[in-house]
Amino acid sequence: DVKVTQSSRYLVKRTGEKVFLECVQDMDHENMFWYRQDPGLGLRLIYFSYDVKMKEKGDIPEGYSVSREKKERFSLILESASTNQTSMYLCASSPTSGAYNEQFFGPGTRLTVL
Amino acid sequence: ILNVEQSPQSLHVQEGDSTNFTCSFPSSNFYALHWYRWETAKSPEALFVMTLNGDEKKKGRISATLNTKEGYSYLYIKGSQPEDSATYLCAFINAGNNRKLIWGLGTSLAVNP
Repeated sequence: DVKVTQSSRYLVKRTGEKVFLECVQDMDHENMFWYRQDPGLGLRLIYFSYDVKMKEKGDIPEGYSVSREKKERFSLILESASTNQTSMYLCASSPTSGAYNEQFFGPGTRLTVL
Repeated sequence: ILNVEQSPQSLHVQEGDSTNFTCSFPSSNFYALHWYRWETAKSPEALFVMTLNGDEKKKGRISATLNTKEGYSYLYIKGSQPEDSATYLCAFINAGNNRKLIWGLGTSLAVNP
């Protein structure tokens, strides 16, 4: 059974704090993604990675960075959290070959920045 | 700019009604079209991955069709049930960058018992 896990379901942080969101997948997928979801705006891609130590900016990378040191783990980092980063964060993974890149999602982390 | 549009934005139906919604996407450089269901408090889950013009896929009471030449896909739900209440998202993959999904905003379906 495929699985994507995220480190926290709910997180509350203060403005200016450094925040780490962790995502782990057990499917040996090459591709991993970080999205944020806000009402009326749909899923927006922050960053993605198609291999260890590789990363590409998505549509809204400002204020975020990522790390992929191991194939199964993809971390999203908010260097200095701000209130406009309050959102639902979703991690996903997909294989490169076959399955036309169906994405498998984690349960999400609802982050509140005060 | 590649754009994926879904309509309607939201829909309220009675239990037992059949319903359908639309996903429009660019008709050039097509690679694949995905449909996902996203229930409240759960993760999005793939319903269908569609790759060929004329594809029709079915899973229980839910089916989807694909027209890549004109750039649209329909999702049909026959005999809606309250457990079908969810947001239905479509996502387009462009052949020029086939790792990245371009998402629509979704159709929010509420099925009243």
